[in-house]
Amino acid sequence: AQKVTQAQTEISVVEKEDVTLDCVYETRDTTYYLFWYKQPPSGELVFLIRRNSFDEQNEISGRYSWNFQKSTSSFNFTITASQVVDSAVYFCALNTGFQKLVFGTGTRLLVSP
Amino acid sequence: DAMVIQNPRYQVTQFGKPVTLSCSQTLNHNVMYWYQQKSSQAPKLLFHYYDKDFNNEADTPDNFQSRRPNTSFCFLDIRSPGLGDAAMYLCATSRDLTSGGSSYEQYFGPGTRLTVT
Repeated sequence: AQKVTQAQTEISVVEKEDVTLDCVYETRDTTYYLFWYKQPPSGELVFLIRRNSFDEQNEISGRYSWNFQKSTSSFNFTITASQVVDSAVYFCALNTGFQKLVFGTGTRLLVSP
Repeated sequence: DAMVIQNPRYQVTQFGKPVTLSCSQTLNHNVMYWYQQKSSQAPKLLFHYYDKDFNNEADTPDNFQSRRPNTSFCFLDIRSPGLGDAAMYLCATSRDLTSGGSSYEQYFGPGTRLTVT
């Protein structure tokens, strides 16, 4: 069975602080894909990143970075110098190739000025 | 810009009165999905179309039906909405799996928030 755990329900930070959102996944498949989505108050889920199980390179995109570690089954997401516009619910998701995303329960990030 | 469009953004219906939500896409993706998302919960997959092939999730109530008349459009029909069906309904699209088993990201529309009175 596939499962995604986001243990942090809500995180509050002050602008310019760095923040890391944790994601732990479970799967018995050797080929799988991990995703992060952002859901701002407007409701639309915005795709942020996809990572496949054979690529453990960390990735940086502007203020966003992702740390994928197969040894600990984790795919953590760090926002550097957070901004108010980063306030949203962030979902980590897993896909093992059957066109079905398994979502975590989401982490609500509140960035205050 | 290529995108996923959902109409209406907000829908109010009465208990038991059939309602249809619509989704269209300009991405030319052959897989389309419908999700239900209740407050403070993760999206829950209801069903998806792989081209015209309909795939229902085992726990999706019979009250929910879907139609996909062509590649661009997909509809969600709720035959007799109950108070428990009030939620955000999200449509998504993706490219299909390649023979090598790649899996592509899903692109979501803005959602339709359904209220049942």
